Amino acid sequence: GAVVSQHPSRVICKSGTSVKIECRSLDFQATTMFWYRQFPKQSLMLMATSNEGSKATYEQGVEKDKFLINHASLTLSTLTVTSAHPEDSSFYICSAQGQGVNEKLFFGSGTQLSVL
Amino acid sequence: AQSVSQHNHHVILSEAASLELGCNYSYGGTVNLFWYVQYPGQHLQLLLKYFSGDPLVKGIKGFEAEFIKSKFSFNLRKPSVQWSDTAEYFCAAIEAAGNKLTFGGGTRVLVKP
Repeated sequence: GAVVSQHPSRVICKSGTSVKIECRSLDFQATTMFWYRQFPKQSLMLMATSNEGSKATYEQGVEKDKFLINHASLTLSTLTVTSAHPEDSSFYICSAQGQGVNEKLFFGSGTQLSVL
Repeated sequence: AQSVSQHNHHVILSEAASLELGCNYSYGGTVNLFWYVQYPGQHLQLLLKYFSGDPLVKGIKGFEAEFIKSKFSFNLRKPSVQWSDTAEYFCAAIEAAGNKLTFGGGTRVLVKP
């Protein structure tokens, strides 16, 4: 089956630095990618939806200047957490979907970000 | 490694039929469990979640799930499905003391009118 690779799986960084997370679809063209954040004791929160070649659509309350999303190709989307702060520490997970509303959704394995 | 398994990849049933989707996890400790649904053209929505307490969890749209610790299972059920329940359903698990969320492979449900 299709695989979505998310890298890195874990990253520790200093406050004020930027961190880039990559999400790759390995054997299909992902026209749409979703970025989620998992808070402790809560359900997933959708951060943004990105379509290849266009600007990401951010959910209400998500700072687009802080969470930069790029979907430059059909197999790669990146999330960059800029000027990270301890409150950005969280589990981030991407998912990818091919063209068409009935295309199956595949999940990455997630990235645990810890900001010191 | 921690994993979540959904054994049914595709389910086809008629309206008013009962639905049960299997979910098994491989975590050893205390676990939090979720069922999400993705309707065609939409993003994920939370159906229900289990953190603690009553192992029979009621969710939205008439769905419920039962946590059976001895079987490492969290099966989703709905007594009578509607055409609008056509969607893909994902089970997910996270260790209560951790942050890594793991999804099952999803089950695509088609309800025939």
